[in-house]
Amino acid sequence: QQQVKQSPQSLIVQKGGISIINCAYENTAFDYFPWYQQFPGKGPALLIAIRPDVSEKKEGRFTISFNKSAKQFSLHIMDSQPGDSATYFCAASNQGGSEKLVFGKGTKLTVNP
Amino acid sequence: NAGVTQTPKFQVLKTGQSMTLQCAQDMNHNSMYWYRQDPGMGLRLIYYSASEGTTDKGEVPNGYNVSRLNKREFSLRLESAAPSQTSVYFCASTWDRGGSEQYFGPGTRLTVT
Repeated sequence: QQQVKQSPQSLIVQKGGISIINCAYENTAFDYFPWYQQFPGKGPALLIAIRPDVSEKKEGRFTISFNKSAKQFSLHIMDSQPGDSATYFCAASNQGGSEKLVFGKGTKLTVNP
Repeated sequence: NAGVTQTPKFQVLKTGQSMTLQCAQDMNHNSMYWYRQDPGMGLRLIYYSASEGTTDKGEVPNGYNVSRLNKREFSLRLESAAPSQTSVYFCASTWDRGGSEQYFGPGTRLTVT
């Protein structure tokens, strides 16, 4: 049972464009929603995270939008740059319960110059 | 401060051979994790250790064993390697269960022939 569904699987964007990656979850007990960024040959690293008490969180060009009623959250990358080309994973966990993060299957983003 | 380190970086095994993947963290984290990453499958949890002295199965534990040697070290053992275990393996650690940032190591690329 896949608890976090991520789309699209791959995304190609022109430099300066907006990249949007979507995730949907099933478990209403989830209360922590991070996004991880992974460059080729490296381990994933935390990019930005949100908790359900807010609907949006922005850090520089990266924004998470969160819709609790729809059980969906998304990552928006504004003014996308070639250096943003990486694989992005959404994830979710229940901070007060399980010790585990549940990851989406990832989105490979390519930003063309 | 090295963060999370993994050894080896690369390994080729023949079917039936055994090996241990080593992981160590110097951040005094309580929880440690082993994931495997396969194309199109995202990050799948093999085993985790919520604290020193405890280990639990994740999503794909079959064919693996783990040891939480002390607070710093968490090893993953393949007793009889199979081609299906060809993958990239990541170790991660975190302060406090699922609700905080996980720090990943650089990964071990394992090929089983």
